Amino acid sequence: GDSVTQMEGPVTLSEEAFLTINCTYTATGYPSLFWYVQYPGEGLQLLLKATKADDKGSNKGFEATYRKETTSFHLEKGSVQVSDSAVYFCALNLNFGNEKLTFGTGTRLTIIP
Amino acid sequence: SAVISQKPSRDICQRGTSLTIQCQVDSQVTMMFWYRQQPGQSLTLIATANQGSEATYESGFVIDKFPISRPNLTFSTLTVSNMSPEDSSIYLCSTHQGGGGDTQYFGPGTRLTVL
Repeated sequence: GDSVTQMEGPVTLSEEAFLTINCTYTATGYPSLFWYVQYPGEGLQLLLKATKADDKGSNKGFEATYRKETTSFHLEKGSVQVSDSAVYFCALNLNFGNEKLTFGTGTRLTIIP
Repeated sequence: SAVISQKPSRDICQRGTSLTIQCQVDSQVTMMFWYRQQPGQSLTLIATANQGSEATYESGFVIDKFPISRPNLTFSTLTVSNMSPEDSSIYLCSTHQGGGGDTQYFGPGTRLTVL
């Protein structure tokens, strides 16, 4: 079946460090890919998305590129801040008229000053 | 974008009772989704609710345990029936706007604790 595999956490980094959170997927079709973020005590928010191969989603300094050849959508940020501490979820949507999302297990990120 | 509210935001319930969670969207939407996030886990889709039709449940979830109503294009309810401690989770509703690949918007969630 369709699935998303995410880098296991928790991840702890120092402020201004480079961040990569790996995400790979298995899908029967041609999915759209998403990163969602859940800040402490808050609901789930869309961080960025990409809908076709080689698209790059970006937001708040985060980037992820849709790599069809490696079925990956890794999240990166060049210099993290304490305010980036959150749980990050990679997800896919198969666009078959039912827009349900399949989520990865989530990666808890903690940034220390 | 869609703004989604949920009631209650949290509740503590006794084993064997039922709780109905309400989800309100600030615009008319076709599809609404209910997810469960168990402690320390990812989100799992419970069911998809379209207005005017029966909800479609994912594998492992049944209507008797999680009855869903969708009376109009802006509102849905999820009931967690005959609760046990294993039902302690955050329950989230969501919707999307537009066709394939568009953003899904999530409510703030309902944190349920079953004693």
